[in-house]
Amino acid sequence: GQQVMQIPQYQHVQEGEDFTTYCNSSTTLSNIQWYKQRPGGHPVFLIQLVKSGEVKKQKRLTFQFGEAKKNSSLHITATQTTDVGTYFCAGSAGGTSYGKLTFGQGTILTVHP
Amino acid sequence: ETGVTQTPRHLVMGMTNKKSLKCEQHLGHNAMYWYKQSAKKPLELMFVYSLEERVENNSVPSRFSPECPNSSHLFLHLHTLQPEDSALYLCASSQARSPAHNEQFFGPGTRLTVL
Repeated sequence: GQQVMQIPQYQHVQEGEDFTTYCNSSTTLSNIQWYKQRPGGHPVFLIQLVKSGEVKKQKRLTFQFGEAKKNSSLHITATQTTDVGTYFCAGSAGGTSYGKLTFGQGTILTVHP
Repeated sequence: ETGVTQTPRHLVMGMTNKKSLKCEQHLGHNAMYWYKQSAKKPLELMFVYSLEERVENNSVPSRFSPECPNSSHLFLHLHTLQPEDSALYLCASSQARSPAHNEQFFGPGTRLTVL
């Protein structure tokens, strides 16, 4: 079945440093979504990428979808303590009406002030 | 109430108990999901209901039994659970047949402990 691998598992940064998490799928994806889960919270949708090579920005966050639609990355510029949490990628292979997602294991980000 | 709500938020049960988790979405969505989140594991999809029909059952043990009486409500009935079933159970909803807007909205989860 489809597998989605995400690295690194943990990332500790000083406030102001940059952060990147990478996501790789074993199969070509129809789209990829990113979610953030704050400590003690639940996953919250951040963005969806659909097109090959797509790049989207949300303030300090930059999301990329690979040309082959099998990998993706999330980059945060100048981290802040509010960025703390677990970042998940979730891939959809398509073929269903409801958007079945396979989640990566997440990257836990801690930011030291 | 807005978004996706789940009750109870915390549940402790013995292995012989029967309990139910409830999820309600107020977003007008027509697909609902149950996920299991254990420590150091990815979110595991358990069940999917689309247009009130169960469309996914990812090899979940029969001690977990879902029910979707209408597009707004989803239940997970639990019986004779094992300690390894202790986890955060998350409900989510999305709009089926809308590829451009099929992001999932999660509820706060039920933290389940099986003794």
